[in-house]
Amino acid sequence: SQTIHQWPATLVQPVGSPLSLECTVEGTSNPNLYWYRQAAGRGLQLLFYSVGIGQISSEVPQNLSASRPQDRQFILSSKKLLLSDSGFYLCAWSKGQGVSNYGYTFGSGTRLTVV
Amino acid sequence: SQKIEQNSEALNIQEGKTATLTCNYTNYSPAYLQWYRQDPGRGPVFLLLIRENEKEKRKERLKVTFDTTLKQSLFHITASQPADSATYLCALSRRTGNQFYFGTGTSLTVIP
Repeated sequence: SQTIHQWPATLVQPVGSPLSLECTVEGTSNPNLYWYRQAAGRGLQLLFYSVGIGQISSEVPQNLSASRPQDRQFILSSKKLLLSDSGFYLCAWSKGQGVSNYGYTFGSGTRLTVV
Repeated sequence: SQKIEQNSEALNIQEGKTATLTCNYTNYSPAYLQWYRQDPGRGPVFLLLIRENEKEKRKERLKVTFDTTLKQSLFHITASQPADSATYLCALSRRTGNQFYFGTGTSLTVIP
C-alpha cells in the first residue's frame, strides 16, 4: 500500500534561519507531488507542485523553493525564514496523468513556528 | 482572481440530523470538485470527487451536488454522528492540470 512520510512534525526556527522539510512517498511510482501551507484559520494555499523529477511549478512567489531530486522525494526549502512563513505545511501526492478518482493523500504535516 | 468560499461560521447540528455545507466559487470554471475532512492537527482526508458533468455523487451517508450554473457545491452528511465533527474542505481544479485549490473550510460540530 502507498504511504506518505513527512518530517519533522513540529519545528521552531528563528527568523533568518534556513529551512528544509522533507516528504517521501512509498508504494507508488511517478506520483504528482504537492506542497501546501495552511495558516491559522485559513484554507490550504498551494505552494508548489511537481509532475516528475526536477519538474517544479511554483504557485506563489515567495522566499520558499522546492526540489524533487528523486521520484518519490519532495523537499521544501528556504534560505532565510520570515515570520510570515509560520504555518502548517502539508505534503500530498496523487496518481499521475490527470485527476485521480482517489484524490490527494496528505502527509501528517509540519507545524512551523518562526520566532 | 479565483475565489472559493465556504460557510464562514461554524455549523452546529444535532445528532441524527442532516448537515449541509456550502462551497461557492467565483472567477473560476472548475471541471472537478473534491471534498475533504480535516481533524485538528492532521492532514485532510479525501472523501469524494465530482466532475462538472455529474450533478450528484453519493458515498454511504455522504452526498455531494455540483451546480456549475450557480457555481456552487453542496455537501450533505445524513444521519450525522458526533464522530462526523471536523472541518470540511472543498477543493476545485480546472480541466487541465492536476492541482487543486482549496476553500477555507467549514467547522462542523455534531451535538449528541
